[in-house]
Amino acid sequence: DAGVTQSPTHLIKTRGQQVTLRCSPKSGHDTVSWYQQALGQGPQFIFQYYEEEERQRGNFPDRFSGHQFPNYSSELNVNALLLGDSALYLCASSSTWVPEAFFGQGTRLTVV
Amino acid sequence: AQSVTQPDIHITVSEGASLELRCNYSYGATPYLFWYVQSPGQGLQLLLKYFSGDTLVQGIKGFEAEFKRSQSSFNLRKPSVHWSDAAEYFCAVGLSGGYQKVTFGTGTKLQVIP
Repeated sequence: DAGVTQSPTHLIKTRGQQVTLRCSPKSGHDTVSWYQQALGQGPQFIFQYYEEEERQRGNFPDRFSGHQFPNYSSELNVNALLLGDSALYLCASSSTWVPEAFFGQGTRLTVV
Repeated sequence: AQSVTQPDIHITVSEGASLELRCNYSYGATPYLFWYVQSPGQGLQLLLKYFSGDTLVQGIKGFEAEFKRSQSSFNLRKPSVHWSDAAEYFCAVGLSGGYQKVTFGTGTKLQVIP
């Protein structure tokens, strides 16, 4: 079992650009959640996808959007990047009725 | 809204000493509770979880945690710390009922000295 895989592992973007991060959930999981972890902070919930729809959303602007595909994999898109978007982006997968999340290694996004 | 408080930002212990990391939560019902560990630049690894039943739960790497409803606490303990335990530890609370937004505390950074 490959667990939760995220790509890419590191990314450098320029302010104003757009970025797409990808996540493949653990086998058997149907729910994907995305978190932003700024340096020295705990992870902050961005949103959660289930059945290809956004089910819950944290306090993040509309610049942050996502998608879930029929195979349960997911993408996180961030438009009009700001310097403050620099962070570790974590993907977590789980199954619907068992609130135990397994995390990927994250994508380190640096906005310059 | 659910919330998690980890009052200790940084803790230093000697190798071989005991450890207790504090966690308090705020939630209207009994939540699902978790402890995760994160090494620098890495993702989060689940140490242990509490859903229901026995309030003392055992996890990996010799860690345990006790759920105390009256104190809204879920403190993490280890009887003898190893140098490899140096990392950041996050307490988290999840909703019951099929929706699993997990709210994290701000973390406690553990330093282990020889």
